[in-house]
Amino acid sequence: QSVLTQPPSVSGAPGQRVTISCTGSSSNIGSGYDVHWFQHIPGTAPKLLIFVTTNRPSGVPDRFSGSKSGTSASLAITGLQAEDEGDYYCQSYDTSLSGRVFGGGTKLTVL
Amino acid sequence: QVQLVESGGGVVQPGRSLRLSCAASGFSFRTYGMHWVRQAPGKGLEWLAVISYDGTYKSHADSVEGRFTISRDSSKNTIYLQMNSLRVEDTAMYYCAKDRLAFCGGDCFSDTMDVWGLGTTVTVSS
Repeated sequence: QSVLTQPPSVSGAPGQRVTISCTGSSSNIGSGYDVHWFQHIPGTAPKLLIFVTTNRPSGVPDRFSGSKSGTSASLAITGLQAEDEGDYYCQSYDTSLSGRVFGGGTKLTVL
Repeated sequence: QVQLVESGGGVVQPGRSLRLSCAASGFSFRTYGMHWVRQAPGKGLEWLAVISYDGTYKSHADSVEGRFTISRDSSKNTIYLQMNSLRVEDTAMYYCAKDRLAFCGGDCFSDTMDVWGLGTTVTVSS
């Protein structure tokens, strides 16, 4: 059971917009700790997509965006492409656990 | 370019020990903290441990506290994960990752990792 809750799967057709939610609590996101997002395609290294809630590393398309409100955060992907298929994880810090925590992951399928 | 290469994985019996290594290149290793993260088969990512850029701060997840120890050797640009008393549930792909921010001495709780390796597989089985 992950401290950060994500939907197990989302899907969308090419060109559509999808969002992935990440629900935390007062001991992590709700305490003001930043949220980060990773894309993980099996067999490859996880890739940082969004850091400090809304920022994109160099090379990440602006189709990817992040937001946060209260104890939750979201990753939005617009203009879905086949290459976006993979697993997506949110990550934050939890004061109760005194460590970084990941969401359970969301599998994105491009129909 | 920044590169992290994990090694040392393999098949080991329950109760035995294993030491993983992560060789870093392409960046100023001495100025960045480093992490270990794992992914069990069919499961999500699990953060395991962090060590500060200078090695003075270490933190381990509750699930491995007392059994796993992170360390670093800046003369070799390498971090390690010493894993003792291994359990079947420790079977996973183990990744090392680099702190996004430099000079994090254990106070960068809210930040993250920006570069990861490809991982090394650990199988604990009798």
